[in-house]
Amino acid sequence: KAGVTQTPRYLIKTRGQQVTLSCSPISGHRSVSWYQQTPGQGLQFLFEYFSETQRNKGNFPGRFSGRQFSNSRSEMNVSTLELGDSALYLCASSLGRKSGDNYNEQFFGPGTRLTVL
Amino acid sequence: DAKTTQPPSMDCAEGRAANLPCNHSTISGNEYVYWYRQIHSQGPQYIIHGLKNNETNEMASLIITEDRKSSTLILPHATLRDTAVYYCIVLKTGGFKTIFGAGTRLFVKA
Repeated sequence: KAGVTQTPRYLIKTRGQQVTLSCSPISGHRSVSWYQQTPGQGLQFLFEYFSETQRNKGNFPGRFSGRQFSNSRSEMNVSTLELGDSALYLCASSLGRKSGDNYNEQFFGPGTRLTVL
Repeated sequence: DAKTTQPPSMDCAEGRAANLPCNHSTISGNEYVYWYRQIHSQGPQYIIHGLKNNETNEMASLIITEDRKSSTLILPHATLRDTAVYYCIVLKTGGFKTIFGAGTRLFVKA
């Protein structure tokens, strides 16, 4: 089964621009989570989508937004880019069940490395 | 969700067992302990999880203390490819707001 794919893998933008990152989850997975990873802050949770609805949200400003489509693919958007937004953005997918099984293992993609100049 | 504390780094000789500790003293009854690892330049990879019983799979063993306030991940025969950052996470059943701490950077040396 194909893994989680993220596009693009690398991106260079300038301050003030906006960017859209894409994530295709594993077939059958309905939950997609986004994370930001920087050397200073580590791995930080951005948000999680399930069945086209944002189900969980981290502590990021409103410039960071996302959406999920009916086929579970997800996009993440960052508007008015700042230098501090330079990071590795990781997407993870899981089955997304909230009850029944004790855990929904998350499968991570390779990430999109965003550089803001 | 409960917070976890891990040592920032550890060394292990190749072929020996690597024992990675994690403190989660504020864990509540419905929270599980999960371990992920991240090898350089890759996304994190799930290793194992448990509630209160010890667990073992093909990758590792998880030992949880009786009071559930701490746990240890054991890699029985560490190899150079096990060099990575290991994250201990506590999460409720059905929870998806996964909070990663700083993790433990494990160096496996030949």
